[in-house]
Amino acid sequence: GDSVTQMEGPVTLSEEAFLTINCTYTATGYPSLFWYVQYPGEGLQLLLKATKADDKGSNKGFEATYRKETTSFHLEKGSVQVSDSAVYFCALSGGGSYIPTFGRGTSLIVHP
Amino acid sequence: EAGVAQSPRYKIIEKRQSVAFWCNPISGHATLYWYQQILGQGPKLLIQFQNNGVVDDSQLPKDRFSAERLKGVDSTLKIQPAKLEDSAVYLCASSFGSHRGDYGYTFGSGTRLTVV
Repeated sequence: GDSVTQMEGPVTLSEEAFLTINCTYTATGYPSLFWYVQYPGEGLQLLLKATKADDKGSNKGFEATYRKETTSFHLEKGSVQVSDSAVYFCALSGGGSYIPTFGRGTSLIVHP
Repeated sequence: EAGVAQSPRYKIIEKRQSVAFWCNPISGHATLYWYQQILGQGPKLLIQFQNNGVVDDSQLPKDRFSAERLKGVDSTLKIQPAKLEDSAVYLCASSFGSHRGDYGYTFGSGTRLTVV
């Protein structure tokens, strides 16, 4: 079945550092890919998405490119802020089974 | 637009008791999802509705969990009887468009269930 694998956390960075959170997926068909963010005590919020190969999703300074050849959707940000501290989830939908599938989440901690 | 509303926000029950959660999706969103998020894990889909019909409930433990979406709007998720391993956050989400979820999902704040 479909699956999503994220890098283990926590990822700890200093403010203004470069961020990469790796995400790879396994799916049949042509899934849509997503990154969600969960701030403490809140529900998940859609951060960005890409619906086909080579698409780049972007929002709030975060970017991710749908790489079909490497089955990856890595999340990047050039300069993180303390307010970016949260748990980030990679997800896919519309693969072989249509069941939305989430990764385990990667915690990001940004220090001043 | 108003977000996805869920209630209650927190619930503590003893094992073998029953509990129900309520969700009101974003107006016009035909697809509604219930997820279970155990601490330290990603959300796991329990059931997916398209209007008032079930699209997928393959991961719903049907011996104790049930869900309905009358009139294709609000939905309730029930657990009866609860077990200790049901302790989790129960998230409701809704989506515009097809059940593929290509537009992404809007999540509610969730109900944190603790079974003691």
